[in-house]
Amino acid sequence: DTGVSQDPRHKITKRGQNVTFRCDPISEHNRLYWYRQTLGQGPEFLTYFQNEAQLEKSRLLSDRFSAERPKGSFSTLEIQRTEQGDSAMYLCASSASLSYNEQFFGPGTRLTVL
Amino acid sequence: AQKITQTQPGMFVQEKEAVTLDCTYDTSDPSYGLFWYKQPSSGEMIFLIYQGSYDQQNATEGRYSLNFQKARKSANLVISASQLGDSAMYFCAMREQGDYKLSFGAGTTVTVRA
Repeated sequence: DTGVSQDPRHKITKRGQNVTFRCDPISEHNRLYWYRQTLGQGPEFLTYFQNEAQLEKSRLLSDRFSAERPKGSFSTLEIQRTEQGDSAMYLCASSASLSYNEQFFGPGTRLTVL
Repeated sequence: AQKITQTQPGMFVQEKEAVTLDCTYDTSDPSYGLFWYKQPSSGEMIFLIYQGSYDQQNATEGRYSLNFQKARKSANLVISASQLGDSAMYFCAMREQGDYKLSFGAGTTVTVRA
């Protein structure tokens, strides 16, 4: 399977715990994105990497959130001191340097904070 | 301000009939791209079709076509010959000039009836 993969697919945690999600993009894609999707809504942009550089962060990405993409390959999204409001689907997408920048999405990580 | 508006929360369509999903957008950029994604109950976002703001012809991809009306700022998706497997959530998204992230609408749920 050469698509975008995400791990874990589901995560249940207690409020106050830290969680980390991983995204493996399509291998030749240099751009990687994180989005958050709450129930019944469209995805909302969180952050964007070009290679290993984090070029843009949404105001949705509070200081409890941190994302990395070491060596420009896989990426991790960490949420510290989780809150119930963090419960959502976290989607990762990647794209190549194409003219219209079609983004390919992974299956998502569904986070439930109890 | 909302950049993408999808006014139909849910739609029912009979198998083998066509269905049109509405999408209007708001941007002052002369160059932008419009995308449609399908999200089945499994959660993965599947790219369907793309329309560039300078494209002279409406985009088509198999049973999907995009009715692009630039002056009205609308980019409606038409699904022809609906199949049961088309039942899913459909999202309209836009990428503005000089930007890489996608802005999504709230989505439309399509249910295909046998």
